Amino acid sequence: EDQVTQSPEALRLQEGESSSLNCSYTVSGLRGLFWYRQDPGKGPEFLFTLYSAGEEKEKERLKATLTKKESFLHITAPKPEDSATYLCAVQGGRGYQKVTFGIGTKLQVIP
Amino acid sequence: NAGVMQNPRHLVRRRGQEARLRCSPMKGHSHVYWYRQLPEEGLKFMVYLQKENIIDESGMPKERFSAEFPKEGPSILRIQQVVRGDSAAYFCASSQERGSPLHFGNGTRLTVT
Repeated sequence: EDQVTQSPEALRLQEGESSSLNCSYTVSGLRGLFWYRQDPGKGPEFLFTLYSAGEEKEKERLKATLTKKESFLHITAPKPEDSATYLCAVQGGRGYQKVTFGIGTKLQVIP
Repeated sequence: NAGVMQNPRHLVRRRGQEARLRCSPMKGHSHVYWYRQLPEEGLKFMVYLQKENIIDESGMPKERFSAEFPKEGPSILRIQQVVRGDSAAYFCASSQERGSPLHFGNGTRLTVT
């Protein structure tokens, strides 16, 4: 069964203090790894898809990278509006496989 | 370009009543997924549907829960004879094709009293 483990569970940063979130995964043939952002009371908002080891994607202060066993979400010089829960999810590649989510990392950026 | 629409946003039911949750996917999307989320827990997969077909319902309890995605109209998640343990946020997501990113609605928060 596919598994996704995210760390840390919670992270508190000062504004401007860069850091990384980790997503370790086990999947039978990776079809895609997804990163989402979820704000309180809202549904997850899609950020990135990564398909193969070595791939990187960037969007504003966020950069996602992928290896064969884990993915990192790097946050450069975060702002208070980056505060949210960041979710990682994987989808296996053999036939149909459901998308499996991790519990997420709750990020708080303090001004 | 409307996103995934879920209604109602909040639903209160007494124990034993039925709950119906509706989801309209994004335009052009024919794949619908339902997830359940409890506080401090991740999103748990329930069911995956395409138009008029249930593809994978492995995450859905066998009793009291059912889902459909008819040819016309929204997808419906139905919970019969609700119990307090059914209280949770239920999220619907849609995708254009298999392997495409899922796009989520803002969920229905079900409270069973």
